[in-house]
Amino acid sequence: AQSVTQPDIHITVSEGASLELRCNYSYGATPYLFWYVQSPGQGLQLLLKYFSGDTLVQGIKGFEAEFKRSQSSFNLRKPSVHWSDAAEYFCAARVANDYKLSFGAGTTVTVRA
Amino acid sequence: SQTIHQWPATLVQPVGSPLSLECTVEGTSNPNLYWYRQAAGRGLQLLFYSVGIGQISSEVPQNLSASRPQDRQFILSSKKLLLSDSGFYLCAWSLGSPGTQYFGPGTRLLVL
Repeated sequence: AQSVTQPDIHITVSEGASLELRCNYSYGATPYLFWYVQSPGQGLQLLLKYFSGDTLVQGIKGFEAEFKRSQSSFNLRKPSVHWSDAAEYFCAARVANDYKLSFGAGTTVTVRA
Repeated sequence: SQTIHQWPATLVQPVGSPLSLECTVEGTSNPNLYWYRQAAGRGLQLLFYSVGIGQISSEVPQNLSASRPQDRQFILSSKKLLLSDSGFYLCAWSLGSPGTQYFGPGTRLLVL
């Protein structure tokens, strides 16, 4: 079955430190991959997406993600986090012509001063 | 640019009452429209999607229904709410087949 897994439920990071959020997918073929961020009580905002091509994808707010086919992973990174990065992050995937987007369970990021 | 609106932002309803949540998109034509529910501890669940006026695909059999009376309007309804219908309801849109989904601000529903 197609699925998206985010192994980390909660991550705490110090302001200014680097952040990496893990995402693994299980699909028959390489899916289209997405990262979204959700602040408390808000909708989801698209950070970045990967369809094909360069495996290192740049997004908004200083985030980037790397697609690794051999590991079925699409991990999100930020070199230096800001207190405003505290939020819940969702990895999502779909196959090329499917309207259904499958989401991981999400990772909550807490930023400490 | 495109904008997506949802209302109301918050709703408290008694069990057994009807429900109508509205979503509209501005700045585009022929969008694909989606309804998701986000319940505590259960992630995001796709409820319905629509690729055109009057076309509704249901992903999860339940107490809810969806309608698309106009190109850029998507409505989520229920005749009788259950306690389990409580959650955060998100509308999304995309262009193309199927395109990248962009989400609205959401509606918080509490059924008491």
